[in-house]
Amino acid sequence: SQQGEEDPQALSIQEGENATMNCSYKTSINNLQWYRQNSGRGLVHLILIRSNEREKHSGRLRVTLDTSKKSSSLLITASRAADTASYFCATDVAGGTSYGKLTFGQGTILTVHP
Amino acid sequence: DTGVSQNPRHKITKRGQNVTFRCDPISEHNRLYWYRQTLGQGPEFLTYFQNEAQLEKSRLLSDRFSAERPKGSFSTLEIQRTEQGDSAMYLCASSAGMAGGYTGELFFGEGSRLTVL
Repeated sequence: SQQGEEDPQALSIQEGENATMNCSYKTSINNLQWYRQNSGRGLVHLILIRSNEREKHSGRLRVTLDTSKKSSSLLITASRAADTASYFCATDVAGGTSYGKLTFGQGTILTVHP
Repeated sequence: DTGVSQNPRHKITKRGQNVTFRCDPISEHNRLYWYRQTLGQGPEFLTYFQNEAQLEKSRLLSDRFSAERPKGSFSTLEIQRTEQGDSAMYLCASSAGMAGGYTGELFFGEGSRLTVL
């Protein structure tokens, strides 16, 4: 089963609005990452937050991590039509040596209307 | 372009045929991963290599699937006797190893889409 579960499954907003996506996971992690995927394309890394971090920013992206609740959120501020894509959280599970063996959620489909 | 390259981008085959996908990672990366993604789902881990050694295989990788990475450079993923359930996007990713500046980030290729008729 998927380690991460995103919520909502789909999100439709107007350009300029903020978009928030949530991710829950089940086991202890080394880090949690967010990736973006345009339709039919590969995944692009957006941001990584380590298990000892609580918040991280990168440009218009803000990620939070709550390890006690095993959850994370991705906020995209001032959204643009070009942000339309699927967004996936991925966890690097703690306790193993397989660094980079990520477990992905099912994704949130974000549509930003111009 | 020095990113991860995958070929072919699209493959349509008949059930029972064999197919092979190739992945060329970023040249300085010694880790290479294969993932499979079906429509509407997130990618699922299949296998990964450190240099030429295949270190882990998912239970998703049945005996019809074989992956190689000769000389620790490019990798191939072969599917024998394809079934309709093999239809998916096969994604390759690479990363630096722990001694090579590993940051946790995976760099993905554009994927190879397989359709089995």
